[in-house]
Amino acid sequence: EAQVTQNPRYLITVTGKKLTVTCSQNMNHEYMSWYRQDPGLGLRQIYYSMNVEVTDKGDVPEGYKVSRKEKRNFPLILESPSPNQTSLYFCASSLGGYTEAFFGQGTRLTVV
Amino acid sequence: AQKVTQAQTEISVVEKEDVTLDCVYETRDTTYYLFWYKQPPSGELVFLIRRNSFDEQNEISGRYSWNFQKSTSSFNFTITASQVVDSAVYFCALSEAFVNNAGNMLTFGGGTRLMVKP
Repeated sequence: EAQVTQNPRYLITVTGKKLTVTCSQNMNHEYMSWYRQDPGLGLRQIYYSMNVEVTDKGDVPEGYKVSRKEKRNFPLILESPSPNQTSLYFCASSLGGYTEAFFGQGTRLTVV
Repeated sequence: AQKVTQAQTEISVVEKEDVTLDCVYETRDTTYYLFWYKQPPSGELVFLIRRNSFDEQNEISGRYSWNFQKSTSSFNFTITASQVVDSAVYFCALSEAFVNNAGNMLTFGGGTRLMVKP
């Protein structure tokens, strides 16, 4: 089954404690992205990747890091999480530019 | 810069009513793509439709229809004979072709929460 898998689905952490949210896709897609969803703001792109070792900033990259060492994986790293990073996070992948994006199930992160 | 506005934050209808969700976009690009996604209460994002800027033909899929009008920069979504299962948050999104021709960055509207009551 074609899918994008994120882990964990839920995470509560404390300010400053580094964390990683994993994302994996099994569709051999080149494009992968991370979004955060906040009430009234819709989804905003954090980072995207066009291929292995190629990443770039989206609209709201501050406080986040990503890496793309393998085509299927695109982890999101919060080196020092802060309460304003409490949000619902989605990973997405797509075959190419402007094509349908497939989204993971989401990760609800709470930073206290 | 691209922008998507969904002015209706919440809509409540009674089952079997028709409902239209509005989407207005801004872009300086002549080539762009518009999308609608559905987010049911379970939280996942479900792709509904993709339309490119050169195709203004309206589309119908079962009870769903989409009206794309470049003259008003709108891409509205209508659900005919709504059902309780249509209750969800609906997002309109835009992707510009040349400004962001490789990143597939989707700019989303704020979403419209649709509640269909039995």
